[in-house]
Amino acid sequence: DQQVKQNSPSLSVQEGRISILNCDYTNSMFDYFLWYKKYPAEGPTFLISISSIKDKNEDGRFTVFLNKSAKHLSLHIVPSQPGDSAVYFCAAMTYSGAGSYQLTFGKGTKLSVIP
Amino acid sequence: KAGVTQTPRYLIKTRGQQVTLSCSPISGHRSVSWYQQTPGQGLQFLFEYFSETQRNKGNFPGRFSGRQFSNSRSEMNVSTLELGDSALYLCASSFRTPWDTQYFGPGTRLTVL
Repeated sequence: DQQVKQNSPSLSVQEGRISILNCDYTNSMFDYFLWYKKYPAEGPTFLISISSIKDKNEDGRFTVFLNKSAKHLSLHIVPSQPGDSAVYFCAAMTYSGAGSYQLTFGKGTKLSVIP
Repeated sequence: KAGVTQTPRYLIKTRGQQVTLSCSPISGHRSVSWYQQTPGQGLQFLFEYFSETQRNKGNFPGRFSGRQFSNSRSEMNVSTLELGDSALYLCASSFRTPWDTQYFGPGTRLTVL
């Protein structure tokens, strides 16, 4: 059973416009959510995270929104740039204390930003 | 600051063999995590080591094991390889916890024939 779902395998956006990547989860016990970006032939790069006690976190062009009642989070990229073209992974973490946790990833969404 | 390095970058093995992959974290980082990436399952968490101890483990069979040395370098071992073990294996390091910013290595591409 997939606990973290990224239902859109791909997304195309015009340069300068907003990119919205979505992620749904089923486990209400997740404490922390993270977004990673991955270019081909490279390892993922951490982008931004949000604690379950918040509903928004912003870092430059990247903003993550969390809607706990809907079990939904989204990553907004404004404005989108061609260099943002990559696969984006959503991840969720349950933390059990004393450094113990479980980390679950979505299958990724491939973003293409068209110049 | 040097990034996370993984060796080897590519590996071809046959079913039944075993394999050891190596990861050198960023200097000063004590948490090392391993992930498996496949087209079908996406990115899956294998395990995390901190101060030479396995602190967290994902849902993988016991054929997958690892260890961490006193210098924080980590190795991952897969015994009795199966075709389904063909994947990109990624290592990531962070200062103390995985929600400190994690830095990933480029991965080791394992092909099992």
